[in-house]
Amino acid sequence: AQSVTQLGSHVSVSEGALVLLRCNYSSSVPPYLFWYVQYPNQGLQLLLKYTSAATLVKGINGFEAEFKKSETSFHLTKPSAHMSDAAEYFCAVTHGNQFYFGTGTSLTVIP
Amino acid sequence: NAGVTQTPKFRILKIGQSMTLQCAQDMNHNYMYWYRQDPGMGLKLIYYSVGAGITDKGEVPNGYNVSRSTTEYFPLRLELAAPSQTSVYFCASSGGGPNQPQHFGDGTRLSIL
Repeated sequence: AQSVTQLGSHVSVSEGALVLLRCNYSSSVPPYLFWYVQYPNQGLQLLLKYTSAATLVKGINGFEAEFKKSETSFHLTKPSAHMSDAAEYFCAVTHGNQFYFGTGTSLTVIP
Repeated sequence: NAGVTQTPKFRILKIGQSMTLQCAQDMNHNYMYWYRQDPGMGLKLIYYSVGAGITDKGEVPNGYNVSRSTTEYFPLRLELAAPSQTSVYFCASSGGGPNQPQHFGDGTRLSIL
């Protein structure tokens, strides 16, 4: 079965600092990978997706992620954190018709 | 654009009661999904459908049922509510295929007391 592991259930950064949220996947075939963001009392919104076209994927709100096959990783980064980035972030991988989500990382931005 | 609409937003049930969580999408997506989200556990797939008349079990289907008579609607049924079913439920839809992202509703917060 496919799976994703998100290291760190809680991450805190200062406003203006680098954001790094980690995601590792297990897959026996080239995967499709996604990052979603969830704001309080809302559903998940797509940040970006990797579908093998390019290893560095740019998403909305200044986020990007790099697919590294050798490390089976798809870490999410943003050069400068903003207060509005405070949210829960989920990494997901697909297999067939199903999505498999990580357990999420809660990002706190300190003013 | 409405996207994926879930009703109700909140509900409190007594143990043993039944209810149906409603989900509708206006994007003409063939694929629809039901998830439950529990603190620290991420999202777990309950059931999914790849088109009208076709449904399949996900990771945690016990205690739930679904039907898909039309493309637009994908209701989730709880027959005998149990405290373990207290959760936030999300419906999602996609255009199909493993490279297509899912679009989520805002969720139904369900408490079973």
